[in-house]
Amino acid sequence: KNQVEQSPQSLIILEGKNCTLQCNYTVSPFSNLRWYKQDTGRGPVSLTIMTFSENTKSNGRYTATLDADTKQSSLHITASQLSDSASYICVVKNSNSGYALNFGKGTSLLVTP
Amino acid sequence: SQTIHQWPATLVQPVGSPLSLECTVEGTSNPNLYWYRQAAGRGLQLLFYSVGIGQISSEVPQNLSASRPQDRQFILSSKKLLLSDSGFYLCAWGAPERLHEKLFFGSGTQLSVL
Repeated sequence: KNQVEQSPQSLIILEGKNCTLQCNYTVSPFSNLRWYKQDTGRGPVSLTIMTFSENTKSNGRYTATLDADTKQSSLHITASQLSDSASYICVVKNSNSGYALNFGKGTSLLVTP
Repeated sequence: SQTIHQWPATLVQPVGSPLSLECTVEGTSNPNLYWYRQAAGRGLQLLFYSVGIGQISSEVPQNLSASRPQDRQFILSSKKLLLSDSGFYLCAWGAPERLHEKLFFGSGTQLSVL
């Protein structure tokens, strides 16, 4: 069973609207949680990295939250743009796992005019 | 600034043929280097990582191998490709001195084995 589950699997929103993507994980012990944006046919690009003590981190119109007690994270996108259309991947690191990361399958976001 | 180059962007190979994907990093020294594979509808899977020249660690047993002949060069190879080797291959680098290592990915290679 995947230790990082993302929802929804896909999402379609109108340009200018806000949206929130969810990530639940069971990875333990926790080291950090990352959100990546991956355009189709391209490599992922880091949006945020959060450690245990961080509840919120923003990167422009992207705001990530982390609740380490419930093992949940969300990525909120404000005032969406067409260029936000991509797959958003949640990644959680186990502090005992060396170099391995636990990747979610991603949420595919489509922003329409 | 640091950059990562990965090529080719797309590759179509027959079953049983050899493979060589190359990745180079510029603007940094002694990076950690990684090869990932992304199958359709699945999360990224770590294949190999390297913390230095000639030092390769494999995460999963498979038909592939990796080499690091130079500090900023990472090569993914296979002697005989299988159909199951098809996928999107990503090279990445990270700065080993950072407590929470941030990964920077290349643009990927879409490999189709026919």
